[in-house]
Amino acid sequence: AQSVTQLGSHVSVSEGALVLLRCNYSSSVPPYLFWYVQYPNQGLQLLLKYTSAATLVKGINGFEAEFKKSETSFHLTKPSAHMSDAAEYFCAVTLAAGGYNKLIFGAGTRLAVHP
Amino acid sequence: DSGVTQTPKHLITATGQRVTLRCSPRSGDLSVYWYQQSLDQGLQFLIQYYNGEERAKGNILERFSAQQFPDLHSELNLSSLELGDSALYFCASNRPSGRNRVTDTGELFFGEGSRLTVL
Repeated sequence: AQSVTQLGSHVSVSEGALVLLRCNYSSSVPPYLFWYVQYPNQGLQLLLKYTSAATLVKGINGFEAEFKKSETSFHLTKPSAHMSDAAEYFCAVTLAAGGYNKLIFGAGTRLAVHP
Repeated sequence: DSGVTQTPKHLITATGQRVTLRCSPRSGDLSVYWYQQSLDQGLQFLIQYYNGEERAKGNILERFSAQQFPDLHSELNLSSLELGDSALYFCASNRPSGRNRVTDTGELFFGEGSRLTVL
């Protein structure tokens, strides 16, 4: 069965520092992987997605993630954090169920950015 | 703006009551998904509809039910409410990725949620 684990429920970085949010997946077949972001009092918004094309995926707001099959990882990075990046980030994997896909989310990582 | 509309945005009710949450998907999307987000359970998949038919079920309680209407909007009905049902309920939608296929990558477009408070 497919599932996803996010390491670290809270991450705090300084403005301008590297952001690294970790995500590991388990899947018996090549997965579709996603990062979503949830800003306060808002719904989830797609940051980026991996669908078996390039292993380095670029998303919005300067974020990117690299699919590493050997490590079953899909970590999210951003070279330089901005105050506006403070939000909750969810890694997700598709789960094949009865021939149809559904999205399974990790527990989320809350990113705090301080001056 | 994702194009997915949810009403009401906030709802306060008492234990034992019943509420209905409404969702209008993005124009052209055939699938609607419902998720529950709470502090202790995180983001939990409840149920999916595709073109009016139930397609997949997750951790949805028997006290909860949903349906998708011919115009593709969906309603989530929560009955015999308990304190633990207090949560954000999200609706999401998408469309199949290819002709004659109902499988898709799983990318979803979320509404802003309905916050339910049960007192």
